[in-house]
Amino acid sequence: SQQGEEDPQALSIQEGENATMNCSYKTSINNLQWYRQNSGRGLVHLILIRSNEREKHSGRLRVTLDTSKKSSSLLITASRAADTASYFCATTDSWGKLQFGAGTQVVVTP
Amino acid sequence: EAGVTQFPSHSVIEKGQTVTLRCDPISGHDNLYWYRRVMGKEIKFLLHFVKESKQDESGMPNNRFLAERTGGTYSTLKVQPAELEDSGVYFCASSQDSGESYNEQFFGPGTRLTVL
Repeated sequence: SQQGEEDPQALSIQEGENATMNCSYKTSINNLQWYRQNSGRGLVHLILIRSNEREKHSGRLRVTLDTSKKSSSLLITASRAADTASYFCATTDSWGKLQFGAGTQVVVTP
Repeated sequence: EAGVTQFPSHSVIEKGQTVTLRCDPISGHDNLYWYRRVMGKEIKFLLHFVKESKQDESGMPNNRFLAERTGGTYSTLKVQPAELEDSGVYFCASSQDSGESYNEQFFGPGTRLTVL
């Protein structure tokens, strides 16, 4: 079954704008991660937020976590064309198995 | 240090044929995972090796899929016979067992499989 569900499925913005995508999950978690996949490339780990954290920053990325609503958001500020990619949230079970959502396809136009 | 590598990068085969995908994890990583993304859908877990042992193969779709990790180094994923619905991108990831509650998984570039 799908653990994470991203919203929106697709997002088109212009360079310099902010991009926000959301993720909902179903079961309790220890942590939640966000990944990026550029076309033709593997998944790149962006950021991990633990269940006892509410917000985390990494460069132009800001992640929030609301465990009461079982949801997380990823904000990319001042987007660039190179941010064009698919973004996935994922949770892990006790053995490290990642459970992904369907992803959000972000297109940043110059 | 080399990352996770996968071979081939692309494979186009006909229905009924056999294909073998290979994954070389980062040296020293005991954990090796296979995932699959089919037709723009979510990325789904296939199985997990700890060294040469299958820890979890609950995601393997059916008995047409066979994964091995002889010697606990590289892994192969064989699809025999391939069906149309097997088309997708197959990702491999590895992680080391640090004893922490979370071990970051490092992904390979994936193998794009097209079954005609």
